[in-house]
Amino acid sequence: KQEVTQIPAALSVPEGENLVLNCSFTDSAIYNLQWFRQDPGKGLTSLLLIQSSQREQTSGRLNASLDKSSGRSTLYIAASQPGDSATYLCAVENSNSGYALNFGKGTSLLVTP
Amino acid sequence: DAGVIQSPRHEVTEMGQEVTLRCKPISGHDYLFWYRQTMMRGLELLIYFNNNVPIDDSGMPEDRFSAKMPNASFSTLKIQPSEPRDSAVYFCASRPGGHETQYFGPGTRLLVL
Repeated sequence: KQEVTQIPAALSVPEGENLVLNCSFTDSAIYNLQWFRQDPGKGLTSLLLIQSSQREQTSGRLNASLDKSSGRSTLYIAASQPGDSATYLCAVENSNSGYALNFGKGTSLLVTP
Repeated sequence: DAGVIQSPRHEVTEMGQEVTLRCKPISGHDYLFWYRQTMMRGLELLIYFNNNVPIDDSGMPEDRFSAKMPNASFSTLKIQPSEPRDSAVYFCASRPGGHETQYFGPGTRLLVL
């Protein structure tokens, strides 16, 4: 069974810092890996999707990398802002279990002014 | 498009009562997913549909849970009878097809007393 782990569970940084969130998974047979953002009391918003054949994806100040062989992904946030405060979830779609997503428990990020 | 629509947004009920959660996916999306989120277990897939047909219901906790998708624009998740341990946030998500990103609704916060 695919296990997805996110480290750290919580992170607090001052505004302007660059930061890295980590995600690891145990089964490298994946179709893709996705990063989501969840604001308190809200649903999930997709940030980046990396196909298994890709190494990274970028969107604005966000950059996500994927190393499938080692079972790792990182989400890099440049020049963090208070509006980035949210929970960031990593999810993996396995290639042997249909179209379901396996989620990590998330990293709760607080960016202080 | 209005996105994935869920109702009700909040539900408080007493143990033993029937609970029905509703979801309207994004028009044209072939896949619909039901997830449950708790602090202890994070986000877990309950069931998903492809073209209104249930494909994988292995995540449904027990017979008290049932889900239907009578047409492409509507799905229900029913809990009968409800128990306090069913208290969680229930998310519905949809996606166009293939291995693409999922779009989540705002969730239904269920509290069973």
